[in-house]
Amino acid sequence: EAQVTQNPRYLITVTGKKLTVTCSQNMNHEYMSWYRQDPGLGLRQIYYSMNVEVTDKGDVPEGYKVSRKEKRNFPLILESPSPNQTSLYFCASSLGTGGPRNNEQFFGPGTRLTVL
Amino acid sequence: GENVEQHPSTLSVQEGDSAVIKCTYSDSASNYFPWYKQELGKRPQLIIDIRSNVGEKKDQRIAVTLNKTAKHFSLHITETQPEDSAVYFCAASKGSGGANNLFFGTGTRLTVIP
Repeated sequence: EAQVTQNPRYLITVTGKKLTVTCSQNMNHEYMSWYRQDPGLGLRQIYYSMNVEVTDKGDVPEGYKVSRKEKRNFPLILESPSPNQTSLYFCASSLGTGGPRNNEQFFGPGTRLTVL
Repeated sequence: GENVEQHPSTLSVQEGDSAVIKCTYSDSASNYFPWYKQELGKRPQLIIDIRSNVGEKKDQRIAVTLNKTAKHFSLHITETQPEDSAVYFCAASKGSGGANNLFFGTGTRLTVIP
């Protein structure tokens, strides 16, 4: 089944304790992205990657890191989490090339993170 | 960068009535405009999209219109049903090659009253 998976789905942690949220897709998509969703603010892009070893900042990258060592995986790293990073996080992927429907982004199930 | 504004933030309609959600964008280079539906506790899913070379697109009860001159696009849902209740997000992107970055609106919570 074609899908985007994220782990963990729920995480409660404390300020300053490094964490990683994994994201994996099995659709051979080139483009992957991380968003955070906060009430009243919609979905805001954190980082994106257009291919292996190619990553770039989105709208709200502060406090986050990413890596793209393999095409299928795009982990999100919080080196020193703070309470303002409490949010719902979504990973997404798309084919990434031109053409109809190639821009459709497929979202993972989300990770709800609470930083105390 | 792109700025997408979405209105209204909440919308309640009677079952069977129509619902319209409107979005404006700022970057005239944007050419791909998807709409996502997010049910409670679920992930966003694409329901319809339109490219800038088309003024209107329809898929059963949902349609999207685009006015490139005015830089706004709208989602129309006809004959609404309770299962249409969800949060709807519009988005815009330049949508070509690797430029897949989507800029989302802040969402509209649609409630369909049976």
